[in-house]
Amino acid sequence: GAGVSQSPSNKVTEKGKDVELRCDPISGHTALYWYRQSLGQGLEFLIYFQGNSAPDKSGLPSDRFSAERTGGSVSTLTIQRTQQEDSAVYLCASSLASESYNEQFFGPGTRLTVL
Amino acid sequence: GNSVTQMEGPVTLSEEAFLTINCTYTATGYPSLFWYVQYPGEGLQLLLKATKADDKGSNKGFEATYRKETTSFHLEKGSVQVSDSAVYFCALSDSNAGKSTFGDGTTLTVKP
Repeated sequence: GAGVSQSPSNKVTEKGKDVELRCDPISGHTALYWYRQSLGQGLEFLIYFQGNSAPDKSGLPSDRFSAERTGGSVSTLTIQRTQQEDSAVYLCASSLASESYNEQFFGPGTRLTVL
Repeated sequence: GNSVTQMEGPVTLSEEAFLTINCTYTATGYPSLFWYVQYPGEGLQLLLKATKADDKGSNKGFEATYRKETTSFHLEKGSVQVSDSAVYFCALSDSNAGKSTFGDGTTLTVKP
């Protein structure tokens, strides 16, 4: 079946511009996660959605970052007024539910480059 | 808060060598533990997991045992292959929170 998809796969933008990154989770997965992976670094948690509950936004690095999930499916991560330090690979993952034993299925990521 | 510390890389081994990648964790609850792998040009995928103390996860010849007494989940493989070259991430998921905490990743290169 279809896995997690993300678009675009690559995004180059100028400093100060806004960008939107999209994630389509696996159908039926109620939990959705966004991470950021900087070069040579591990995964930095950004935000997580579980069903209709309020999202856990504790990982968002600044108020320039926001995310929404419409209809419990597709999610969009928006970065306003991008900065060069925002350059990274943004990964989306989904899982059946938020129980700790559930594995997360990752998308291929969006590589963001801010010039 | 939760944290994962894994062995720094890069690690370079010859084919058929024994592999250990150390991983230790700090968590307030009773986490599940995971190893994810990222092959070149591919996305992260689950390699193995263990959900309670003393459980052993295994897959593709890799093993890791959930050791609560030492808060560790070391990854091992008896004989690595060139195709095992990848970045390996140790992670935990706390039952009290939905998000997972990942280590910084260890890059493994296996040479023929």
